[in-house]
Amino acid sequence: AQTVTQSQPEMSVQEAETVTLSCTYDTSENNYYLFWYKQPPSRQMILVIRQEAYKQQNATENRFSVNFQKAAKSFSLKISDSQLGDTAMYFCAFMSPDSNYQLIWGAGTKLIIKP
Amino acid sequence: DSGVTQTPKHLITATGQRVTLRCSPRSGDLSVYWYQQSLDQGLQFLIQYYNGEERAKGNILERFSAQQFPDLHSELNLSSLELGDSALYFCASSVVQNYGYTFGSGTRLTVV
Repeated sequence: AQTVTQSQPEMSVQEAETVTLSCTYDTSENNYYLFWYKQPPSRQMILVIRQEAYKQQNATENRFSVNFQKAAKSFSLKISDSQLGDTAMYFCAFMSPDSNYQLIWGAGTKLIIKP
Repeated sequence: DSGVTQTPKHLITATGQRVTLRCSPRSGDLSVYWYQQSLDQGLQFLIQYYNGEERAKGNILERFSAQQFPDLHSELNLSSLELGDSALYFCASSVVQNYGYTFGSGTRLTVV
């Protein structure tokens, strides 16, 4: 069964710094999709970034980028020039045909951006 | 605004009661998913509907049921409520599953 592990329960950085959130996953499949979702204090779940496993190029969305290492089964999220509004829980998630396209979630990392 | 609408936003009810949570998916999305998130916990998948039919079931209690109507809106029915059912209930929708899900803002249920 696929699993997703986020080993950092909580992180904090100063505003404007760069921070990297870790995510590893376990699967025997070759075709799958990876996601980072953000849940700010408002509790809204927001899709931050998406990566297709067969694409070698790392996905980027403005200040958010990923480091996708397929062989290592690692999918970290880098937030550049962090802002106070980036304070949130960040969840890594995995999806594949074998999971019936259901999202398999990590436990989340609480990120605090300090002024 | 994500395009996924959930009502009500907040609900307070007593133990033993029954409530109905409503979700309207984004226009064009055929799949609807229901999730439960207890305080400081991750998301627990409850159930998925696709174009009116149940597609997948997660950790949904027998006291809970859901359906998706012809206009694609969905309702989650929670009955014989217990204190432990207090949680944030999310609805999400998708047009193509591997694009990711779009979440509503959730219904916060408090059982007293």
